[in-house]
Order: sequence, then C-alpha cells, then structure tokens
Amino acid sequence: NAGVTQTPKFRILKIGQSMTLQCTQDMNHNYMYWYRQDPGMGLKLIYYSVGAGITDKGEVPNGYNVSRSTTEDFPLRLELAAPSQTSVYFCASRGGLGEAETQYFGPGTRLLVL
Amino acid sequence: TQLLEQSPQFLSIQEGENLTVYCNSSSVFSSLQWYRQEPGEGPVLLVTVVTGGEVKKLKRLTFQFGDARKDSSLHITAAQPGDTGLYLCAQNSGGSNYKLTFGKGTLLTVNP
Repeated sequence: NAGVTQTPKFRILKIGQSMTLQCTQDMNHNYMYWYRQDPGMGLKLIYYSVGAGITDKGEVPNGYNVSRSTTEDFPLRLELAAPSQTSVYFCASRGGLGEAETQYFGPGTRLLVL
Repeated sequence: TQLLEQSPQFLSIQEGENLTVYCNSSSVFSSLQWYRQEPGEGPVLLVTVVTGGEVKKLKRLTFQFGDARKDSSLHITAAQPGDTGLYLCAQNSGGSNYKLTFGKGTLLTVNP
C-alpha cells in the first residue's frame, strides 16, 4: 500500500514551457486535491475532485488545469509556466470517517520556473 | 473563507524544553485538525478536535480546543529533535467537499 505517490520529485522549467505533475493513490478514495505551498504561506488549494470525471476550482486555480479519468489518478497540468508558479506542489486524497477523516498527502513535487 | 492565525511563526528551542503553539480565528470552528510536516515531506495528521473544551493527548503532545471553538493550542512536553517540523492547523471550509483551509504554520526547531 503506497498511499499517495507523486512524480517527479523535482523539476526545473523555463518560462512558457508546459508540464504535467502526476499523482496516484491506491486507497480507492473518491476525493483528491492539489495544493501549492509557498514559503511562509501555508498550503493553498488549487483544484479538487470528488470522483472520476468531476473536478472543481479551489482558491488559486489560475494557470493550472486538471483531469480525473480514473479514481486512482489526478494529474495537474501547467500550460505556460511562469515564475509565480515556482512552488512545492502537494497532492492529497481524503479518507476516513468522522473524527478519523483526514487528507493523506503525497511527498510533493518541487518546481522551479526560470 | 475563515482565516487561521498561527503563532509564533518560528520557534527554536533546546531539547527537553516545553512549548506551546497557537491557532486562532475570529469565527467558530466546526472542527480543527493539527498536522505536522517534516522537511521534504507532505503534512501528516496528528489529531482532530471537535468539541469545545476538548483535550486530547498523543504521547508528549497535548491538544486543546477552546470552549468557544475559536482557538486551539498544541503543547509539547520535553521536546525532542524528532519533533522538529512545521505544525499546521486546518479547518474544513468546504462542507461535504472537505476542502481544508490551512494556517501558515509554526516552524519548530528542536536543537540537541
């Protein structure tokens, strides 16, 4: 049981390039989330999905796109990379019930846009 | 969106010392979660508090939820270097969609 996995771990992009951040979970969770974490700023929600085929915007969606064709995978797409997208990106899935409900986070992808 | 204020932003202490970090809001929380994030890793849930006045203990960590459910604290007794990390509080701002809003965190360093 690997939990939530993310690839790549680190990437350098040039301004204007595009890339896809991969996220996979093996816990059969319906809900999945993408966050970005900037130094001293906590985590901000980019997009989330409540199940295959259903996605919605979070707090900071501009410059990003997502898709959810399967329960397991929730890729995040950057079409035209900008320096403001330099950040650490975390994918998470939701599991548990009631007080045991939690989000399980992947190890993150560190992105540098130059 | 409810703002979560965490204090202090940074804390550096010696091994064996006690410490308390805080999470506050101007609005009432339905429930509150504390996460710890170690360097280079994603956040990991420590505890969820739901009832005003609630106290939960996790080994050397004690979590309190304010009576009015507008504030919470995390107290660590006899801190160890393994406690080093970013401590984040979070609350569910999305109802059934369970969208978490995070505070900016307290970065704790415990020196041996």
